[in-house]
Amino acid sequence: QITLKESGPTLVKPTQTLTLTCTFSGFSFSTNGVGVGWIRQPPGKALEWLALIYWDDNDHYNPSLKNRLTISKDTSKNQVVLTMTNMDPVDTATYYCAHRARGFGDYMDVWGKGTTVTVSS
Amino acid sequence: EIVLTQSPGTLSLSPGERATLSCRASQSDSSSYLAWYQQKPGQAPRLLIYSASSRATDIPDRFSGSGSGTDFTLTISRLEPEDFAVYYCQQYGSSPYTFGQGTKLEIK
Repeated sequence: QITLKESGPTLVKPTQTLTLTCTFSGFSFSTNGVGVGWIRQPPGKALEWLALIYWDDNDHYNPSLKNRLTISKDTSKNQVVLTMTNMDPVDTATYYCAHRARGFGDYMDVWGKGTTVTVSS
Repeated sequence: EIVLTQSPGTLSLSPGERATLSCRASQSDSSSYLAWYQQKPGQAPRLLIYSASSRATDIPDRFSGSGSGTDFTLTISRLEPEDFAVYYCQQYGSSPYTFGQGTKLEIK
């Protein structure tokens, strides 16, 4: 059974760097095809895809946020970390990590429950 | 960037009725890399359909997806009470991957 759980601060100040951790079980980055992605959702708004990291260390970012995002993985800990620099109140959202399905294309078949981040001074 | 436009914004139907949700892409990437997700209040999205028409694991067969190119449809053949939620389409064939703005399916 695949599970993912997001963790990190609930409140950050403008200009600070956000660091979120996704801890998962039920799969491993040692397996070809595995990937974990991050998606966010501002309150009452639609979903926005952020970044994805693959088993082979390749990554894929939303170009509009690429200069602010870094995604990395720790295979031994079954974790993926997302950092976002220069946080702004518009970055207030629920942040989800999700498992990339084993197939053709980067769709996400299992999601974590999400973690809410508020950006405010 | 491919913009996905979902219609209608809100759909009011009764249990037992058929629901038809539309997702139109601003351009085609010819891949049919289109997914549908269901989201209930306070919950994470749940994958329903991938590759435009393939049902995800454990998804009831009353959910079906169709379409290609720029026009895609999610059909729920006979609504159950638990189907009332917000539905999002997502394209993952062209970067950046993008989501539609959602269709809220509410009980009439």
